[in-house]
Amino acid sequence: KAGVTQTPRYLIKTRGQQVTLSCSPISGHRSVSWYQQTPGQGLQFLFEYFSETQRNKGNFPGRFSGRQFSNSRSEMNVSTLELGDSALYLCASSLLAGGAGTQYFGPGTRLTVL
Amino acid sequence: DQQVKQNSPSLSVQEGRISILNCDYTNSMFDYFLWYKKYPAEGPTFLISISSIKDKNEDGRFTVFLNKSAKHLSLHIVPSQPGDSAVYFCAASRSLNNAGNMLTFGGGTRLMVKP
Repeated sequence: KAGVTQTPRYLIKTRGQQVTLSCSPISGHRSVSWYQQTPGQGLQFLFEYFSETQRNKGNFPGRFSGRQFSNSRSEMNVSTLELGDSALYLCASSLLAGGAGTQYFGPGTRLTVL
Repeated sequence: DQQVKQNSPSLSVQEGRISILNCDYTNSMFDYFLWYKKYPAEGPTFLISISSIKDKNEDGRFTVFLNKSAKHLSLHIVPSQPGDSAVYFCAASRSLNNAGNMLTFGGGTRLMVKP
């Protein structure tokens, strides 16, 4: 089976712009979660989608949003980019809906905000 | 507040010896724990997990121990190999169906295995 794929792998944007990142989960996985990794804050949960519904949301401002499509593919969007949004954005997919499902991560999208 | 902590930012071990990575948590609602290995600019790779109904889980060279009363878990790698050199993250979640798939990560421990 193919793993979790994320596009693009690298992105450079300027402050004030918006960005959309894409994630395709492992085939058959219906849960997709997004995480942000920064040197200062570590790995932090952004949100999770299951069957096109947001189930959980982390402590991030409303500029961060996401959605999931009927084929389980997910996108996250960040509007009005700030310098502090520079990070590695990771997507993870899981077979199970509950928290006991192992999450498998994609390679991430490296976002740089100038 | 950090609900999952890895107090050792780095660990250096000789090849062939045991590596012990530690993790502490504060939230008693966590009942499912995972260890991930991560290389720079890559996503975390799942290593091993343990449910709170167990106190030990083994998978090849990797063993995870859980001490619920102390809210402490550890990952043992025996024998350590140079290819094990990476950053290791512990993560915790709640396994209730309505809790969703939200992982809370520790800050990571960089393991260096010297040949």
